[in-house]
Amino acid sequence: GNSVTQMEGPVTLSEEAFLTINCTYTATGYPSLFWYVQYPGEGLQLLLKATKADDKGSNKGFEATYRKETTSFHLEKGSVQVSDSAVYFCALSDLAAGNKLTFGGGTRVLVKP
Amino acid sequence: SAVISQKPSRDICQRGTSLTIQCQVDSQVTMMFWYRQQPGQSLTLIATANQGSEATYESGFVIDKFPISRPNLTFSTLTVSNMSPEDSSIYLCSVSTTGELFFGEGSRLTVL
Repeated sequence: GNSVTQMEGPVTLSEEAFLTINCTYTATGYPSLFWYVQYPGEGLQLLLKATKADDKGSNKGFEATYRKETTSFHLEKGSVQVSDSAVYFCALSDLAAGNKLTFGGGTRVLVKP
Repeated sequence: SAVISQKPSRDICQRGTSLTIQCQVDSQVTMMFWYRQQPGQSLTLIATANQGSEATYESGFVIDKFPISRPNLTFSTLTVSNMSPEDSSIYLCSVSTTGELFFGEGSRLTVL
């Protein structure tokens, strides 16, 4: 079956530091890959996505590249802000699985001023 | 995009009672999903609810415990029946549209 593995948190950073959250996946088909973000007290929001190999998703300074050869979709941001403190979820959807989303365990990021 | 409203946003419930969560979408959608997010954990799909048919439940979830209604293309309800403390979670409604999945803000249930 499909699965998503992401690095465990919490990740604590200083403002303007570089952020990487690793995400790897296992899928039977050709999935689309997503990063969702959950800010404190709010619902999940789509941060970025990539639908095929070598696609790069980007939004709000975050980037992630769909790497089929390493089955990875690592999230990066060059200079984080306090407002980036949130829980980040990597996810995949696979047509073979009815396009249902499979989520990773989530990574809590805390950015300190 | 889709705007999703859930009620209640939070509730404290007594063991053995049942609670119904409502999900309203601002546009017609074919597929609606119900997820559970247990404390400190990721999201787990409970069931898929399509209008005009019975909900499809994931492994580990049954209709008697989580009955779902889908009376039209903009509304769904999830009932958590005979609650126990283990049911304390955030329950999220989501919809699929234009290839993306949108989420409500969730309903945080605490069972005493």
